[in-house]
Amino acid sequence: GQNIDQPTEMTATEGAIVQINCTYQTSGFNGLFWYQQHAGEAPTFLSYNVLDGLEEKGRFSSFLSRSKGYSYLLLKELQMKDSASYLCAVRDGRGSYIPTFGRGTSLIVHP
Amino acid sequence: GAGVSQTPSNKVTEKGKYVELRCDPISGHTALYWYRQSLGQGPEFLIYFQGTGAADDSGLPNDRFFAVRPEGSVSTLKIQRTERGDSAVYLCASSLDFSTDTQYFGPGTRLTVL
Repeated sequence: GQNIDQPTEMTATEGAIVQINCTYQTSGFNGLFWYQQHAGEAPTFLSYNVLDGLEEKGRFSSFLSRSKGYSYLLLKELQMKDSASYLCAVRDGRGSYIPTFGRGTSLIVHP
Repeated sequence: GAGVSQTPSNKVTEKGKYVELRCDPISGHTALYWYRQSLGQGPEFLIYFQGTGAADDSGLPNDRFFAVRPEGSVSTLKIQRTERGDSAVYLCASSLDFSTDTQYFGPGTRLTVL
């Protein structure tokens, strides 16, 4: 099975930087995703990491360490619209390539 | 728009009734996924189709749940003898094929069983 752990809730100030961590324990590993989900809306894709290191995409960056079973999502220059839930999802080594989602981290950005 | 669409957006039913939820994936996407999301939780996998066949249905909670995709495009999730515990948002996602990466989600159907 899989165990994916991320903080339930975080708060940050507009303009600041926030790091959302995700740790996982899986049978094998075949990629990690980050999704953003605004309340009442569908998850939208942010990033995909399969190799160790940092992937940067505009204000958002995602980091992966496979040996530590650890990833983080870094959000820079926070805006009010970044208030949302951030979901970490991991694909294990099984054949079906179905990612398992964590419970999500609710990020609240305040002025 | 060419995104994933789901109908209805909201469905209220009574315990014991039968419901069908529909998903229209992005045109050309061969892989289609159904998830269920309860409040404060991440999406929980139900079933995955590659083309017309269910490639992985290990997430279906019991035999009251069934899904079809007869022509390899539109999919219908069917729930028989609904129970209050089935209340959740049912999300559909599609991807270009099973091995690629990005799943694109629809807006979901909020099912409420009274």
